[in-house]
Amino acid sequence: KNEVEQSPQNLTAQEGEFITINCSYSVGISALHWLQQHPGGGIVSLFMLSSGKKKHGRLIATINIQEKHSSLHITASHPRDSAVYICAVGANAGGTSYGKLTFGQGTILTVHP
Amino acid sequence: NAGVMQNPRHLVRRRGQEARLRCSPMKGHSHVYWYRQLPEEGLKFMVYLQKENIIDESGMPKERFSAEFPKEGPSILRIQQVVRGDSAAYFCASSPGSLLIWKTQYFGPGTRLLVL
Repeated sequence: KNEVEQSPQNLTAQEGEFITINCSYSVGISALHWLQQHPGGGIVSLFMLSSGKKKHGRLIATINIQEKHSSLHITASHPRDSAVYICAVGANAGGTSYGKLTFGQGTILTVHP
Repeated sequence: NAGVMQNPRHLVRRRGQEARLRCSPMKGHSHVYWYRQLPEEGLKFMVYLQKENIIDESGMPKERFSAEFPKEGPSILRIQQVVRGDSAAYFCASSPGSLLIWKTQYFGPGTRLLVL
């Protein structure tokens, strides 16, 4: 079992739909990251969370530390949101675990006009 | 303020040659991380460096791979005697040095290495 599991692996939506991508992890963490990667492109950091909820434009990220679960929501989805969304966790700090991220497999999101 | 820069963006090597990948962190950042994304696979941690020090290299293959982050200049990921299985996208990320444990990591555009 991977330390970081994302679901779904593939997600297709129509423009305007509300989208949710889930991430579950099995290790104690200090922070969780949501990243966006366009095909053949670089990686953009969307959020870093250690508790609660963050919002940036149409994107909302939540985390439940007790349940070891995070969600990324996209409201009023648009074709330009089509990308791979990746959840990554940083293990509890301690010695050499500093800075080391463990990644989920990613969710491929396609939004049709 | 320029972001994380990586060069080259694309690199083609023949089996047995050496590959050198460069990463210039954001201004003021003294922590650098290297990650590898193999075709059809997720990202994997390779190595974490601070200026002149390797902090964690637990994700780095034991042979042929090395990394450095000198006092002056970019961080270098070096792959000797490349094999086809080294073909991947290599991403560098940086974060500021701080007493706080966690800071957002800023990713570079990646270097796509193709080994023929």
